[in-house]
Amino acid sequence: GENVEQHPSTLSVQEGDSAVIKCTYSDSASNYFPWYKQELGKGPQLIIDIRSNVGEKKDQRIAVTLNKTAKHFSLHITETQPEDSAVYFCATIPAGAGSARQLTFGSGTQLTVLP
Amino acid sequence: NAGVTQTPKFRILKIGQSMTLQCTQDMNHNYMYWYRQDPGMGLKLIYYSVGAGITDKGEVPNGYNVSRSTTEDFPLRLELAAPSQTSVYFCATKTSGRYNEQFFGPGTRLTVL
Repeated sequence: GENVEQHPSTLSVQEGDSAVIKCTYSDSASNYFPWYKQELGKGPQLIIDIRSNVGEKKDQRIAVTLNKTAKHFSLHITETQPEDSAVYFCATIPAGAGSARQLTFGSGTQLTVLP
Repeated sequence: NAGVTQTPKFRILKIGQSMTLQCTQDMNHNYMYWYRQDPGMGLKLIYYSVGAGITDKGEVPNGYNVSRSTTEDFPLRLELAAPSQTSVYFCATKTSGRYNEQFFGPGTRLTVL
């Protein structure tokens, strides 16, 4: 089955700096790559996603890049703010997911933005 | 709209006890999922459902059961609780469609002692 590896597991940055989280996947047929943000005590929430037909997508301070050849994708957060502190999960929908389109998640990155 | 609600928020069980984790949604989504989240391990899919009356196993189904009698409700049953089932459980929903967002509930923190 699909294997998604996420790095780093923890990341601390100064407020205003950029943060980058990387994920690699094993199923070359995977074609959808969302990122979820989980704030303390809450369920994950989608913040950005990318499909396999594009290499980059931006939404204000957040961007995701995809390299299908190398089978990795990254989340970029610029001008980080204290409210960006959370756990971030990457995910994929592997080719064998079936009609339910169930996600395979990475292990998560705890991002801390230091004031 | 409440979205996805889960009850209880917290629960402590003794080994061998049983319980049902409730999940209810008012979004009229066909697809529903149960995940467990262990520290440093991401989310693992336990069971999922593509509509009322249809359920299927995910990656880690052992020790759990589900039912889906209505679109709104997707309860998760734990029989004979074990310490290995100590985790945070999340329910999620999604509309049909290839790339649609999953909406998560707030979670249930379960401890088995």
